Amino acid sequence: QVQLVQSGAEVKKPGASVRVSCKASGYIFIDHYMHWVRQAPGQGLVWMGLINPRGGTTIYAQNFQARVVMTRDTSTSTFYMELSGLISDDTAVYYCAREANSGYHDFWGQGTQVTVSA
Amino acid sequence: QSVLTQPPSASATPGQRVTISCSGSSSNIGSFTVSWYQHLPGTAPKLLIYSNDERPSGVPDRFSGSKSGTSASLAISGLQSEDEAEYFCAAWDDSLSGPVFGGGTKVTVL
Repeated sequence: QVQLVQSGAEVKKPGASVRVSCKASGYIFIDHYMHWVRQAPGQGLVWMGLINPRGGTTIYAQNFQARVVMTRDTSTSTFYMELSGLISDDTAVYYCAREANSGYHDFWGQGTQVTVSA
Repeated sequence: QSVLTQPPSASATPGQRVTISCSGSSSNIGSFTVSWYQHLPGTAPKLLIYSNDERPSGVPDRFSGSKSGTSASLAISGLQSEDEAEYFCAAWDDSLSGPVFGGGTKVTVL
């Protein structure tokens, strides 16, 4: 069965960077794009970008373009999302979400809490 | 403020029907299909409906979706206590060139 297992909670200081991982299993890794989405406390979900695991090409949302880098490691079937220049507003739960081949997300990770605090 | 608008809460007694609305615009719901998800705190969101009204295998037929113009709806009939969760909608958006989401609706089973 498809599983997306994310790394554990992180606490970072303002200005630092954080890297969240998402290990995929139960399907052919290169067959599905992976998206990253976040949810700040009391807010709705916000799309951050996506990566094509076949070639590693990425598309980032404009609001995150300057600070986010998405990568993948095909040898371990793992996706990574690194966000730099953290501010308190980046405190959120970060999710990876697999795109089905029709634009919607059919499987999600369990979420990773990132807290930015001095 | 989420791009897609949902009511913050909805409630009904067991066995009743509850409907959740999702309002968007021509650049998202008006042009693309809608999906719906069930989300319990601390867990992975679960796909309930895709392509407006299609159910993945394993999702009970108590859950149904519809779309008209720039709005969509999720209906849960024969409400059960296990349906108490947050539900959110999603659609691709041409302006963002990415998906947009509703703010979520907390369903309470009275």
